[in-house]
Amino acid sequence: KAGVTQTPRYLIKTRGQQVTLSCSPISGHRSVSWYQQTPGQGLQFLFEYFSETQRNKGNFPGRFSGRQFSNSRSEMNVSTLELGDSALYLCASSLAGGQNEQFFGPGTRLTVL
Amino acid sequence: GENVEQHPSTLSVQEGDSAVIKCTYSDSASNYFPWYKQELGKRPQLIIDIRSNVGEKKDQRIAVTLNKTAKHFSLHITETQPEDSAVYFCAASTNSGYALNFGKGTSLLVTP
Repeated sequence: KAGVTQTPRYLIKTRGQQVTLSCSPISGHRSVSWYQQTPGQGLQFLFEYFSETQRNKGNFPGRFSGRQFSNSRSEMNVSTLELGDSALYLCASSLAGGQNEQFFGPGTRLTVL
Repeated sequence: GENVEQHPSTLSVQEGDSAVIKCTYSDSASNYFPWYKQELGKRPQLIIDIRSNVGEKKDQRIAVTLNKTAKHFSLHITETQPEDSAVYFCAASTNSGYALNFGKGTSLLVTP
């Protein structure tokens, strides 16, 4: 099976702009989780989607949003970008969520100038 | 809120020695505890996991122990090799069971 893919791999934006990141899960996986990875902060949970429904949300401001489509592909959006949003954004797919092995994508490196 | 603390943040051992990484969690509803390894520039990958009905699990040189009463779990790597050098993350399932909360990671360096 093909692994989890994310597009784009790299993004450079300026403050105030918005950005949309995409994640394609492993075929058959219905759960997609998103994480923000920054040096020293590890992996911080953003949200989890299963069958187009957001089931869990982390402690991030409302500028961070996401959605999942009927084919399980997911997108996350960050509006009104801030310098502190610069990070590696990882998505992970699993069969059913947090208690199953999560398979990570390669990540999208977002730089906000 | 749910919180996972991980120690140490950096660990340096000599090849052949053992390495131990410890994590504590706060949510008593957590019942799934995976460990991920992330090599430089690569994505995290699951190396071992344990569920709350088990106290210990081994896979070759890697073992994980869980103490639910004390809310802590540990990763043990024996006979370390240079290729074990990476960042290791512990995680605990959220009270909903749908997601994972991760520790901040331990950077392990194994020197020949």
